[in-house]
Amino acid sequence: EIVLTQSPATLSLSPGERASLSCRASQSITNYLAWYQQRPGQAPRLLLYDASNRATGIPARFSGSGSGTDFTLTISSLEPEDFAVYYCQLRSNWPPYTFGQGTKLEIK
Amino acid sequence: EIQLVESGGGLVQPGGSLRLSCAASGFTFSSYSMNWVRQAPGKGLEWVAYISGSTSKMHYADSVKGRFIISRDNRGNSVYLQMNSLRDEDTAVYYCASGMRQAPGAFDIWGQGTKVIVSS
Repeated sequence: EIVLTQSPATLSLSPGERASLSCRASQSITNYLAWYQQRPGQAPRLLLYDASNRATGIPARFSGSGSGTDFTLTISSLEPEDFAVYYCQLRSNWPPYTFGQGTKLEIK
Repeated sequence: EIQLVESGGGLVQPGGSLRLSCAASGFTFSSYSMNWVRQAPGKGLEWVAYISGSTSKMHYADSVKGRFIISRDNRGNSVYLQMNSLRDEDTAVYYCASGMRQAPGAFDIWGQGTKVIVSS
């Protein structure tokens, strides 16, 4: 079973700063990685799929990179609404669809 | 409007059963795979079950295999999760989510969630 490990667990930054969130897979998953944002009390929202493709309506400040085992979600300039929990997910064509444990992005 | 609306959550005793429903609207339901994802209080996301669009292939997380059953009604645009032999650790908010056609494991539409509490 493939395990996804996200780091850091918590990231404290200020609005306007650049955020880099990491997701590492226990074995190669090529580019089968998705990223989600979850604000308190809300359902998750798909941000990126296949490592770097933005989902519909996602602002350009969100970008993704990586392949194989190491992936990064970058938010170029943080807006107040970006402070939330972020999850990476193995999005292979067949289940299981493993999630990482999440990174909480909090206001410094 | 494209949306998913879950229902059926509630309080149930350990060992009991519950059936969750998810009604879809605004898209061609039968063309999309559907999933259930859960989130225990204060915890992360856990994928629970998958059903394909038209061929009705199903897959389950090991934690629910043999206890939960996913099904769908393409005429009624609904997906269901029958939960049997419920345990305390099944307490969570349950979301239904649809997979993208071009990337089936990426979930681009989510419901608002329905809360399940397993407790005596």
